[in-house]
Amino acid sequence: GESVGLHLPTLSVQEGDNSIINCAYSNSASDYFIWYKQESGKGPQFIIDIRSNMDKRQGQRVTVLLNKTVKHLSLQIAATQPGDSAVYFCAEKRNTGNQFYFGTGTSLTVIP
Amino acid sequence: NAGVMQNPRHLVRRRGQEARLRCSPMKGHSHVYWYRQLPEEGLKFMVYLQKENIIDESGMPKERFSAEFPKEGPSILRIQQVVRGDSAAYFCASSPVGRVYGYTFGSGTRLTVV
Repeated sequence: GESVGLHLPTLSVQEGDNSIINCAYSNSASDYFIWYKQESGKGPQFIIDIRSNMDKRQGQRVTVLLNKTVKHLSLQIAATQPGDSAVYFCAEKRNTGNQFYFGTGTSLTVIP
Repeated sequence: NAGVMQNPRHLVRRRGQEARLRCSPMKGHSHVYWYRQLPEEGLKFMVYLQKENIIDESGMPKERFSAEFPKEGPSILRIQQVVRGDSAAYFCASSPVGRVYGYTFGSGTRLTVV
């Protein structure tokens, strides 16, 4: 399944399928990006990060792709599991300051 | 390592009362950040503090909100004369000196103004 972030804030996938969550960021000066997972009633949990001098980074079952030309970030989750159901946020850090700017999030629901 | 500790987890205040939210950073972290999350929205930056110093408060409302991070004890986010629109989840994050890598969030305080 695939979302386009702001236009599709919800994404439903079958267990075992791959998920792709997209995020468009706003500032070409952003130099560091993080994907967070937030479960209901909990704080954001770090999933994976990427610096602006990279275009791809892989973790365990997750891959982040960065396209600076179109200011686009995606999170790919392989073999999606019910425990992956949550809201996923991308966050960008600009090259001044230490705060992060968050997108509105995509709600992922995994259907058993 | 207990992580970033926030308390209380839930706070109910009547309109006009004061709300105090506390955040203890991770061990070894000296930078603290406060964010606010309205229902079904992303987190919005409020303020960035180091010990005894406010570094960036560009996201703080001009009135009723203040934050501190004293030499000893937790960081405090204080909201005076709360209104219904202050109802939100307030998250604290911390990071080590000079780095944002290792930026870690607490579980948040959910403020409800009745």
